[in-house]
Amino acid sequence: EPEVTQTPSHQVTQMGQEVILRCVPISNHLYFYWYRQILGQKVEFLVSFYNNEISEKSEIFDDQFSVERPDGSNFTLKIRSTKLEDSAMYFCASSEVGDRTPNYGYTFGSGTRLTVV
Amino acid sequence: GQNIDQPTEMTATEGAIVQINCTYQTSGFNGLFWYQQHAGEAPTFLSYNVLDGLEEKGRFSSFLSRSKGYSYLLLKELQMKDSASYLCAVMDSNYQLIWGAGTKLIIKP
Repeated sequence: EPEVTQTPSHQVTQMGQEVILRCVPISNHLYFYWYRQILGQKVEFLVSFYNNEISEKSEIFDDQFSVERPDGSNFTLKIRSTKLEDSAMYFCASSEVGDRTPNYGYTFGSGTRLTVV
Repeated sequence: GQNIDQPTEMTATEGAIVQINCTYQTSGFNGLFWYQQHAGEAPTFLSYNVLDGLEEKGRFSSFLSRSKGYSYLLLKELQMKDSASYLCAVMDSNYQLIWGAGTKLIIKP
């Protein structure tokens, strides 16, 4: 069964450093998402991406965050200057037909656990 | 504001049936999802309801009442592997998923 792949599985970084989280969505999917989940808390939407541009973003997704699809397969989330409160699981997800026909749900990657120290 | 409410934790016995409720208040409605999430893992899709009524899929069923802003996930013949958090999520008028905090289901032998 096709999978969304995320790397690394766990990253530890010092406060103020930049991190790049990587995702390889399912190959025929067109819509890509980043979510985060602080330990023990709700899943929170960060950003959705379609046709090489951001389609929606949440209040959490401020100027410290950016997303990119540098080639045909990777989808990255960059945090420019990490803060302690950025420590969370970051999940990438992709969907085949996008927001307006969500019957199939989204396929989530296994996540990257980011720890900012 | 937008709100999804579900119980924090439930306990059930292996082989039994459990119903996990979810109530929602959102700006618009484009469907309700149930996801299963094992600790430290990604959510996995269980069901999607957009019309009123019951959707059955094996041991799992999901029910929706749009007029009441209410859904439930019904799990039958519980197995130990069903111990997980169950997340209710509603797609609002902007097609964004609004997530509940999840219900931790503990299965006892």
